[in-house]
Order: sequence, then structure tokens, then C-alpha cells
Amino acid sequence: DPKIIQKPKYLVAVTGSEKILICEQYLGHNAMYWYRQSAKKPLEFMFSYSYQKLMDNQTASSRFQPQSSKKNHLDLQITALKPDDSATYFCASSQDQTNTGQLYFGEGSKLTVL
Amino acid sequence: GNSVTQMQGQVTLSEEEFLFINCTYSTTGYPTLFWYVQYPGEGPQLLLKVTTANNKGSSRGFEATYDKGTTSFHLQKASVQESDSAVYYCVLGDRNSGTYQRFGTGTKLQVVP
Repeated sequence: DPKIIQKPKYLVAVTGSEKILICEQYLGHNAMYWYRQSAKKPLEFMFSYSYQKLMDNQTASSRFQPQSSKKNHLDLQITALKPDDSATYFCASSQDQTNTGQLYFGEGSKLTVL
Repeated sequence: GNSVTQMQGQVTLSEEEFLFINCTYSTTGYPTLFWYVQYPGEGPQLLLKVTTANNKGSSRGFEATYDKGTTSFHLQKASVQESDSAVYYCVLGDRNSGTYQRFGTGTKLQVVP
């Protein structure tokens, strides 16, 4: 059974609209992350949360807003969508906020912006 | 700043051939190095991890050795199988600098029967 659930798996949006990507982890981890993978760039770190607090944000645009309603949830809201936002967004978690521990990834949400 | 370089975008091998994937890194701190593997339609998963304390890691027939002198962390496997076809990422973490794991650009391995 998948331990990190991402919804939806695929989504198509029109330019200018807004979407929310859902992530839940059932590993009992304290830290959660968002990474983005596009055809043009390698896997890029976006955000990290630890105990529901934002720890790091490497996203240049404020159109990307993480939301953590519970310790095991980290959703990603994307507003004013652009075609360049088309990518697969991966949620990940680790036991604690550290960059030396194993990351566990979900299967990703593939977003296409038309 | 921290960085990871994988020069090989794609490698194609026949079954039972030797695999060697290059990775070099740059950091001012104390690196922890990983290889993650990503199969089609899935997220990356840890293949192996090496710290400055143990220098070498192995898993499922894959090996990687951390070389501080050349700042390299190459991945090797003596005999690949078709099931090894995937994308392999060299990844850098550093407990004294940076707050997230930095991924290389990935090397796509295709093993043909």
C-alpha cells in the first residue's frame, strides 16, 4: 500500500486558473516536502515543512502556496497557472527535517496547463 | 554553494554488461551522498546512501564509493539486468549547509536484452 498518497494523479488546467495538489503521508514522519520535475529541469526542491512549519522555500513565485492542515498533510495550491507550470509535482517526507535522511516520495501529480 | 553534476544523460547497455555512472559534487561542508532510482510512473526511491563515516554503500548489486579527493560518488554494477532500466539520480545532502537534498540531472539507464 502506498504510504504517501498524492491526488490527483493527473490534472489538466487552463492558463490563469487555480489548482490544489493533495498530499498525505502515513509514515509518521515529521517533515514533508514538495519537489517539481519538468522536462526542462531536474528534480527541483520547492518547500520543506517540519511539524507543520515552513522551513525552507526555494520557489521564486508566490503563486505557489503550501498548506498544512495536519502534521501528515501538505497540500500545494497553485494560482494563476501558466503553461510553464506544467510538470510532475512530487510530495516527499522524512522522519525529521534534515537533508541527510532518506526521503520517501509519492507517485506524483502530473499537471498540464493549456 | 552545493551542487551535483551528472554528465551522462543516457546510458544504453546490454544485459550482463558493467554499469558505471559518473557523479561529482561540490560542497563546503560534510556531505551525505545518495543514489535514488526512479522507475516510470513512480517517485524516486532510495537506492543507497553513504556518509563520510562509512565511505561506501551497496544495495541490490549496486555500489558507490565516496571519494573526498576527487569529490566523486560514482555508481557501479557488475552485471545489469533489463529490470534495472530506470533513471538514476545522484543526490547531495549536507548537515552543515543547506536545508534540502539537491538532485543531479539524472542518468537514464536503458538495458536491452
